[in-house]
Amino acid sequence: ETGVTQSPTHLIKTRGQQVTLRCSSQSGHNTVSWYQQALGQGPQFIFQYYREEENGRGNFPPRFSGLQFPNYSSELNVNALELDDSALYLCASSNQELGRVYEQYFGPGTRLTVT
Amino acid sequence: DAKTTQPPSMDCAEGRAANLPCNHSTISGNEYVYWYRQIHSQGPQYIIHGLKNNETNEMASLIITEDRKSSTLILPHATLRDTAVYYCIVRVNDYKLSFGAGTTVTVRA
Repeated sequence: ETGVTQSPTHLIKTRGQQVTLRCSSQSGHNTVSWYQQALGQGPQFIFQYYREEENGRGNFPPRFSGLQFPNYSSELNVNALELDDSALYLCASSNQELGRVYEQYFGPGTRLTVT
Repeated sequence: DAKTTQPPSMDCAEGRAANLPCNHSTISGNEYVYWYRQIHSQGPQYIIHGLKNNETNEMASLIITEDRKSSTLILPHATLRDTAVYYCIVRVNDYKLSFGAGTTVTVRA
């Protein structure tokens, strides 16, 4: 167990709808990263939040957005859902400090199905 | 980021050491080698990382060649619970991890 929790576990949405996924980071961690993992592929980086600010983004359109709260928990929002958004969404927390190498601890993921 | 090459799959006998190779011939001097694994339907799990010295922790050992162009992850006594996809990643730090296809390791009784 990593101490990173995600909700919900599973979710079914219809194309065009909006969805919000939630992540609670490990105690003491100030950074949250989100990844999308399509079936049979490795996780793909969506974006990272450090102290409530977006700290980098992967190759995902603007309809993927996020938030990080003062307690370092985070949300991933996806608007105008498409069938290809069906995937496992993973949240990872870490503690980022200047000049220090750090590892990420992943949650169990949210399985999103878009029909 | 330096790209990595891993075999797509490998089998290992339970109780034996599993040696997982990774090639990263374009690695830069300040890039670390990270290993993560993903057991079916779970989130990836951090295993170990290193820069140029060999590293060991409670899960595994990481052997990096002197020229740093390749490395080997060693699971000293593989168990059935070690069956997973293993990812070798090269990064300056593990911000924005870039996962490839990894190696599917199957441990057989």
